[in-house]
Amino acid sequence: RKEVEQDPGPFNVPEGATVAFNCTYSNSASQSFFWYRQDCRKEPKLLMSVYSSGNEDGRFTAQLNRASQYISLLIRDSKLSDSATYLCVVNRGNTGFQKLVFGTGTRLLVSP
Amino acid sequence: EADIYQTPRYLVIGTGKKITLECSQTMGHDKMYWYQQDPGMELHLIHYSYGVNSTEKGDLSSESTVSRIRTEHFPLTLESARPSHTSQYLCASTPDRGNNSPLHFGNGTRLTVT
Repeated sequence: RKEVEQDPGPFNVPEGATVAFNCTYSNSASQSFFWYRQDCRKEPKLLMSVYSSGNEDGRFTAQLNRASQYISLLIRDSKLSDSATYLCVVNRGNTGFQKLVFGTGTRLLVSP
Repeated sequence: EADIYQTPRYLVIGTGKKITLECSQTMGHDKMYWYQQDPGMELHLIHYSYGVNSTEKGDLSSESTVSRIRTEHFPLTLESARPSHTSQYLCASTPDRGNNSPLHFGNGTRLTVT
């Protein structure tokens, strides 16, 4: 079993739709959590950190459930430019040092 | 936006050749990383560095080696390339500001060993 599991998709949605991605992690000692976005044949870029209380950045909302070891990302009002692979990332490093474990990613395709 | 550069962007090389993948960052970040990513697969950490003269192996065993003689430079070397080394190699750095500091990635080197 992988340490970070994601549904690979693809998720095919029309513009304007709301879509949610889920992720589970197996290491209960994991300390911090992120969503990264990776476009085809490009490097990953940080989308947002995930905080215990949940957090929102524009159309994007991230939530964390430590008890269930579960992270989610909600995208509202999808745009064509949201088409990408979304990587769930977990840090199991010690304080002050990041040792990130990446999921395989969930692919999103937004169509007109 | 961090400035982190990788060269070459693409490399096709024959089996047995020695290669060095370059990675440089201009942000003064102490922590640097090398990840390997096969198409459609997750990134795997192969090397990391806390700072100058510090290098550690990552989770994925790799025949590559790294060095960190200067803060800004973290090259990766394969002494004898093999087809199994064909992959994308991504360099990253992060400032020393705790667990929520984002990783800044270079644009990667796509290596093909024939």
